[in-house]
Amino acid sequence: EVQLVESGGGLVQPGGSLRLSCAASGFTFSDHYMDWVRQAPGKGLEWVGRSRNKANNYTTEYAASVKGRFTISRDDSKNSLYLQMNSLKTEDTAVYYCAGAIVGAIDYWGQGTLVTVSS
Amino acid sequence: QLVLTQSPSASASLGASVKFTCTLSSGHSSYAIAWHQQQPEKGPRYLMKVNSDGSHIKGDGIPDRFSGSSSGAERYLTISSLQSEDEADYYCQTWGTGILFGGGTKLTVL
Repeated sequence: EVQLVESGGGLVQPGGSLRLSCAASGFTFSDHYMDWVRQAPGKGLEWVGRSRNKANNYTTEYAASVKGRFTISRDDSKNSLYLQMNSLKTEDTAVYYCAGAIVGAIDYWGQGTLVTVSS
Repeated sequence: QLVLTQSPSASASLGASVKFTCTLSSGHSSYAIAWHQQQPEKGPRYLMKVNSDGSHIKGDGIPDRFSGSSSGAERYLTISSLQSEDEADYYCQTWGTGILFGGGTKLTVL
């Protein structure tokens, strides 16, 4: 059974930092591109960024709204994905989902972890 | 610019069928898309990938009631024999430079 389990969410003040983790199991993690997707309260899905697989040199891409503030990394030996979030803004408040994709189409989703940025 | 357009809402009766449309922006009619379902208070769930030729690949455990098709720049998701648990938000997703989602369609089952 495929599982993606996010952790690390919580309440943080504006300007603060938070690190999210995603533990994967049940599929070949190293073959997959891995994404972070977020959903603000009452809103739709917004892509945050992506880590490509080893065959594609683990290159990363980010949405314009988080570029320069967020960093995605992965550890294939631990089947884990990470999202380091710095300089957080109130508009970063959202549920953050870990997702797995074979190149393009996301085919696996986690249940999400809530990040609240507020003073 | 790559854009995915979805109607914000749809409704259909229990046992009926409903067809969702995801429209690719001009110049992107060859792109494949994926459909995802998000039930209330849950994370999204992958339903299927739909190619420009109308072929589709469903995710594990997705019932036969769910099917995909294409015409030009439009990609479709059809759900037949609607059940109460089908009431959810449905998102299309594609990829190019990064990942892009449509705005989602909220389905109400009457």
